[in-house]
Amino acid sequence: QQPVQSPQAVILREGEDAVINCSSSKALYSVHWYRQKHGEAPVFLMILLKGGEQKGHEKISASFNEKKQQSSLYLTASQLSYSGTYFCGTGAYRVQTGANNLFFGTGTRLTVIP
Amino acid sequence: DVKVTQSSRYLVKRTGEKVFLECVQDMDHENMFWYRQDPGLGLRLIYFSYDVKMKEKGDIPEGYSVSREKKERFSLILESASTNQTSMYLCASKRQGGDTQYFGPGTRLTVL
Repeated sequence: QQPVQSPQAVILREGEDAVINCSSSKALYSVHWYRQKHGEAPVFLMILLKGGEQKGHEKISASFNEKKQQSSLYLTASQLSYSGTYFCGTGAYRVQTGANNLFFGTGTRLTVIP
Repeated sequence: DVKVTQSSRYLVKRTGEKVFLECVQDMDHENMFWYRQDPGLGLRLIYFSYDVKMKEKGDIPEGYSVSREKKERFSLILESASTNQTSMYLCASKRQGGDTQYFGPGTRLTVL
C-alpha cells in the first residue's frame, strides 16, 4: 500500500524549481506531504483532500489528481532551507475501528546548493 | 506546542535481547504510531494505537509488539532483536480524526 515517489533524489541550485511526484496503486482519498530535515523529525507541510485540489505554502504548492491516483509537490525558486527529504502520505481509514492512518511514500531527498 | 519524546536517541543492543522503545506525547492525542525509516524505503508503519489498549497492525508488524497502557505512552517491543531490525524508529501522535501527525526525534537502534 506504500505509494511510490519520484525522483528518489534531486540536487538543485538556489532559485531553481523542482517537482516531486507521488503515485499510488490504490484509490486516493487524501494526500499528505511532510518534510524531514537532516537529523530532525518529519514535519507536516500540507494536506489535499479533494481530487483536483491545489494548495500552496509559501513557494511550495501541491496538486492532487484523483483520477491518476497521484499527487505532485512543486517547489519554486528553491532556497537552501528547502533541503531535506520529502514524504507523501496516503490516507487509509479502517471502517471497523474508525481509525485512520497514513501510508508514507519512499521519500525524495532534495538538496539545494548555493 | 505538541511534544513527542522518545526514550533514547541512540541505542545499541545484541542479537536476541528484548528491546523496549518508549514514546510519550503531551497533547492528549488518541492516536499513536510507530514507524521504521530505512534508506530508499521511506517510512513504514509497524503498528499504531487508536486508543488506550487498542492497536492495529501496520505494514510490517512481524518481529514487533506494542503496548499502550496509558494514553500518553506507546511502547514498541522487540521480543528478540535481530540484525535486520537495525533502523531508525520514529514515533508519532495525532488526535482522533485529525490530519497532522506529530513526530518524535527518532531512536537509532543498532543490533549487533
